[in-house]
Amino acid sequence: QKEVEQDPGPLSVPEGAIVSLNCTYSNSAFQYFMWYRQYSRKGPELLMYTYSSGNKEDGRFTAQVDKSSKYISLFIRDSQPSDSATYLCAMRASGGYNKLIFGAGTRLAVHP
Amino acid sequence: NAGVTQTPKFQVLKTGQSMTLQCAQDMNHNSMYWYRQDPGMGLRLIYYSASEGTTDKGEVPNGYNVSRLNKREFSLRLESAAPSQTSVYFCASSKEALTFTDTQYFGPGTRLTVL
Repeated sequence: QKEVEQDPGPLSVPEGAIVSLNCTYSNSAFQYFMWYRQYSRKGPELLMYTYSSGNKEDGRFTAQVDKSSKYISLFIRDSQPSDSATYLCAMRASGGYNKLIFGAGTRLAVHP
Repeated sequence: NAGVTQTPKFQVLKTGQSMTLQCAQDMNHNSMYWYRQDPGMGLRLIYYSASEGTTDKGEVPNGYNVSRLNKREFSLRLESAAPSQTSVYFCASSKEALTFTDTQYFGPGTRLTVL
């Protein structure tokens, strides 16, 4: 079983829709959670990060962590065609050097 | 400020050939990483260098070697390429690998095909 599970999609939504992207994980030691966005044939770029549980909002993006359920989400409001990309979740445990564990990524297509 | 740069962008090799992927960063970061990305597998760490002069194995190091040439540059070498090494390779850098909140910044990738 993978440490981080992410539905690969593809997820296709109309412009203006609210998008929900999710990851589940098995390691309760994970404390630091990130979302990366990767456009086709480009490198991943950091979108948002959160520590432990709770919500964090940045413009149209909201990251949510539920540690009790080992579940993280990224919500995109008023989705735009420019949001079409693959979204990767990533997470890390605290203490010393702990490698970043990535989900496989969810491919999102927002059509006009 | 170019961030993380990688060369080449594309490469086709025959089985058994060798090659070196180059990576450089201009953000004065201490730590550098090499990942491979395969469909359905996500990003998997091959090797990392927490600081200049140190390198350590990641999740999938077999068939690869690395060199941290200086603070800016981190190269990945395939000594005898195999078809299983067909992948997209990403280099990343970060300020300090041992910091819990450390953030990694990625290069544009190298698409490698081994025939």
